[in-house]
Parts: sequence; C-alpha cells; structure tokens
Amino acid sequence: DIQMTQSPSSLSASVGDRVTITCRASQAINNYLAWFQQKPGKAPKSLIYGASSLNSGVPSKFSGSGSGTDFTLTISRLQPEDFATYYCQQYKTYPWTFGQGTKVEIK
Amino acid sequence: EVQLVESGGDLLQPGRSLTLSCTGSGYTFGDYAVSWFRQAPGKGLEWVGFIRSNTYGATTAYAASVEGRFTISRDDSTSVAYLQMNALRTEDTAVYYCCRVWEVNWIFTSFDPWGQGTLVTVSS
Repeated sequence: DIQMTQSPSSLSASVGDRVTITCRASQAINNYLAWFQQKPGKAPKSLIYGASSLNSGVPSKFSGSGSGTDFTLTISRLQPEDFATYYCQQYKTYPWTFGQGTKVEIK
Repeated sequence: EVQLVESGGDLLQPGRSLTLSCTGSGYTFGDYAVSWFRQAPGKGLEWVGFIRSNTYGATTAYAASVEGRFTISRDDSTSVAYLQMNALRTEDTAVYYCCRVWEVNWIFTSFDPWGQGTLVTVSS
C-alpha cells in the first residue's frame, strides 16, 4: 500500500496568515492526489483533485502543487472558516490511502 | 443542487449484516462513479471501495479490510448506490460516507460532493 505522510500533524496560525501543509507519498503517484477539508462533526469537503485543480466553488485562496511524491496545500490569508482538519489522499493505486490529517487551529 | 444522502446506519451485534444506501440528486447519477469511505470515532478517513459507472462496466474495488465481506452495487434507475456489509466486526464501527466521483478515460478526477454520513455501530 502507498503510505501518505502529512506534516505537520497540527499547526497554530492567525487569521490572515499563509499556511502550507505538505503531503509525501511513499512512492510516486504522478498527480493523483486530492485534498479535503473536514470540520468537527461534518462530512469532508473536497478542495483539490489532480494535485492542483480546484473543485467547483472552492475559493482561490486554496492552492495545491506537486507531482510524484511531494505535494503541498497552501491557504493564503487564513480566515476563521478555514480552521479545520485537512487530509490528502492518493488515488493512483488501490487501496486509495489518506494522510493522517493536519489540524489547523487558531493561535 | 447536487447532493448525496446516506441512510441505513444502525447499532448491531458482531456478525450481523447491514445495507447502507446512498441516494443522489441534482445530477445524472448513472454518469458518475460512487465511492464509499468511513471514519472510525476520533480517527482519520479510510477508503472502503467504489463502483464505476456503467460506462466503465460498473466494476468495483475494495479495501483489503472489507474485501469478501462488503459489496457495493448501484441502481441507476433510482439513483441509489448500496453498501452491503456482512459479517460485521467491532472494528467496522464508523461513520460511513458516500461520494460522487467523476471518471474520464478510466482516470478518476474529482471526489465531490460527499454525503453527510451515516453511523454504523457494531457492539455486543
């Protein structure tokens, strides 16, 4: 199975900060990577697929990059509604696997 | 509005069976794959399996942890996908989510939207 490792596991940031979360795959996955946002008690929301393509309706403050094994999710100008847990997921091969999550908290 | 709604979650004993439903609306259900995911209490996300659209043969794939016990099917006439779960174990306790998946030329792309989830609790 492909292991997905996110870093950091948690971070504290202030409103207006720029935040970057990294995701590393244990083997190359081309750009078959998605990012999801999950708030407590809610279903995940899809942000990005194909490593860098924004889902419809997702604000442009979210951006993704990377290919191969190393990927990043960047949130520019963090807003109160962005405090949540973020997950990366590879869908290059079965089983599809997720990172352990990165919790973004208010500083 | 494109929407997926899961139903069927329950509390049941180990070894029993349960079928979850995922009803889609606001789009042509048959044009998309459907994937199931789950999240155990306080844990991260786990992929369960998927079913492709009929365009791609409605083929399925499963995580090793559920292979042979869980079966995904679909009825495009009623816009419903099913997750049949047999021989349930305590470790299957989780919120189960379904998700619409767009596939182009055998390549999956977006995973959007997700349903609100339905809770399955397996306990003696």
